[in-house]
Amino acid sequence: KQEVTQIPAALSVPEGENLVLNCSFTDSAIYNLQWFRQDPGKGLTSLLLIQSSQREQTSGRLNASLDKSSGRSTLYIAASQPGDSATYLCAVRFISGGYQKVTFGIGTKLQVIP
Amino acid sequence: EAQVTQNPRYLITVTGKKLTVTCSQNMNHEYMSWYRQDPGLGLRQIYYSMNVEVTDKGDVPEGYKVSRKEKRNFPLILESPSPNQTSLYFCASSDASAGIGTEAFFGQGTRLTVV
Repeated sequence: KQEVTQIPAALSVPEGENLVLNCSFTDSAIYNLQWFRQDPGKGLTSLLLIQSSQREQTSGRLNASLDKSSGRSTLYIAASQPGDSATYLCAVRFISGGYQKVTFGIGTKLQVIP
Repeated sequence: EAQVTQNPRYLITVTGKKLTVTCSQNMNHEYMSWYRQDPGLGLRQIYYSMNVEVTDKGDVPEGYKVSRKEKRNFPLILESPSPNQTSLYFCASSDASAGIGTEAFFGQGTRLTVV
């Protein structure tokens, strides 16, 4: 079974710190990996999408990397701000006999303290 | 504006009363899917569709049905809802060209309570 694991489950940091969120997956046969943020009671907002042929993607203070061979991705957030407080989810689109199944990690709940 | 629209946003129903949650996207995406989100379990895929008339089970399909008669719509049907289907449901769509797929867009969610 294809699984996605996110570590840590929760993280609390002071404002201004750089931080790294981790995502690991059990099967290297993937199409892509996508990072989302979710605010309490709200839907998901896409942050970064990395195709299986790519190594990293950047958007503003966010940088996501992908190492398909080791089954790992990281989301790096530079100079964290209180507005970054949210749950961050990693989703992997796996290749599955010609179909595309998506598996999410449980998420990392981030709190940035002013 | 590119969007995925779910309706209703909130629903309280009784055990056994059939219900449908609608999902519509305006991006001409081939790939659409439904998820449920539960505390401690995260988002789990219920069903997905690669294109019109092509659907397949996700990880937790029991108790649900879907149909994809036209590209823009992907309704989720609960024929006989039970309390264990109380959850937050999300619909999503994305392009599935060349097997790579693009960024997924999510609806705002439907909070379902079955009593």
